[in-house]
Amino acid sequence: QVQLVESGGGLVKPGGSLRLSCAASGFTFSDYYMAWIRQTPGKGLEWLSYISGSVSDISYADSVKGRFTIYRDNAKNSLWLQMNSLRVEDSAVYYCARGAWELPLDLWGRGTLVTVSS
Amino acid sequence: EIVLTQFPATLSLSPGERATLSCGASQSVGGDFLAWFQQKPGLAPRLLIYDAYTRATGIPDRFSGSGSGTDFTLTITRLEPEDFAVYFCQQYGDSPITFGQGTRLEIK
Repeated sequence: QVQLVESGGGLVKPGGSLRLSCAASGFTFSDYYMAWIRQTPGKGLEWLSYISGSVSDISYADSVKGRFTIYRDNAKNSLWLQMNSLRVEDSAVYYCARGAWELPLDLWGRGTLVTVSS
Repeated sequence: EIVLTQFPATLSLSPGERATLSCGASQSVGGDFLAWFQQKPGLAPRLLIYDAYTRATGIPDRFSGSGSGTDFTLTITRLEPEDFAVYFCQQYGDSPITFGQGTRLEIK
């Protein structure tokens, strides 16, 4: 069925790194923009990054620019978010979603929890 | 960045009643690219409405969206028990993409 499944979350120390994965199935992955969004009880939902199907269009929120990298492999129907220099305030549930600027986020994964703590 | 303000923060209604949720934007949303999501505890947001008024696949017709520019509304007619949840608006017409803080729809 059409779905997105995230993995890779966990506990990491401030300054550390983590790579999140998102496995897509049930649709032609390469046809779609994909995005990462995170959610915290305090700040709510925050868009982080998106990438086009052709990888020609990539954008980041200012809060993660220079620290996070989005990439994908269409042959593997997979999306990743490499997170470096993690901060306590990066603790959140991270979702991958299908969609981007001028495109609705019409399919979401169930999320993966990232906790940044010493 | 476009700031989205949702009101009320909490709405208490009974099943069968009509719910009206509002989302105000700090500046006009490009292309009226405004979406509404429903989120239940422990689950991902579910897309209800996109492009301000288009229902997503499988969404019942008791959900409707309206508005343009800076003022948008989600209306739920005849509330069902499963409709009690948190609702978010989101704009995707300007970068960065932004979300509202949500309206909690609770059973009265």
